[in-house]
Amino acid sequence: KAGVTQTPRYLIKTRGQQVTLSCSPISGHRSVSWYQQTPGQGLQFLFEYFSETQRNKGNFPGRFSGRQFSNSRSEMNVSTLELGDSALYLCASSPGLRADTIYFGEGSWLTVV
Amino acid sequence: KQEVTQIPAALSVPEGENLVLNCSFTDSAIYNLQWFRQDPGKGLTSLLLIQSSQREQTSGRLNASLDKSSGRSTLYIAASQPGDSATYLCAVRGGYNNNDMRFGAGTRLTVKP
Repeated sequence: KAGVTQTPRYLIKTRGQQVTLSCSPISGHRSVSWYQQTPGQGLQFLFEYFSETQRNKGNFPGRFSGRQFSNSRSEMNVSTLELGDSALYLCASSPGLRADTIYFGEGSWLTVV
Repeated sequence: KQEVTQIPAALSVPEGENLVLNCSFTDSAIYNLQWFRQDPGKGLTSLLLIQSSQREQTSGRLNASLDKSSGRSTLYIAASQPGDSATYLCAVRGGYNNNDMRFGAGTRLTVKP
């Protein structure tokens, strides 16, 4: 069974641009969540989707958005990139909400210059 | 607001030693607690999930305990090996007015041959 797949793995963007990251969950998993990991702030929760609906949202500005498609694949978008958005963005999936083990992808490394 | 703390931040032990990693959380109304390991530049690998109604979980040389009333969890690693070197993170889901997962900053473990 394939794991959580994130694309692209590495990308470099310029300040002011926007970026879209993609996540394919484990087959059969309906919940997808996104996290930002930086050396200074650690792992921080961005948002969680279940059955195409955003269920939870972390404390990030509106420049960070996401969506989930009917096949459970998810995308997150960051608009008007800032230098501080440079981070490892991790996607995780689980069968359902709350009670299940979550499984992470390898992440997307974003560098903003 | 749920806060998760891990002590120590770093730990270095000789191969073969048994060791304990600690995790504490401020709000005991959790759904579950999960332990992960993260190798440098990689995503997180799930180790153990403990539901709020459970006291411990075991997998191979790993044993995780949960004391919800005191807001503490420990991860016990028996007979440590150099391959156990990684950062170990605990995460709790839930808490008062909170459904998402909150992560500790992690303990960086080095097992010396």
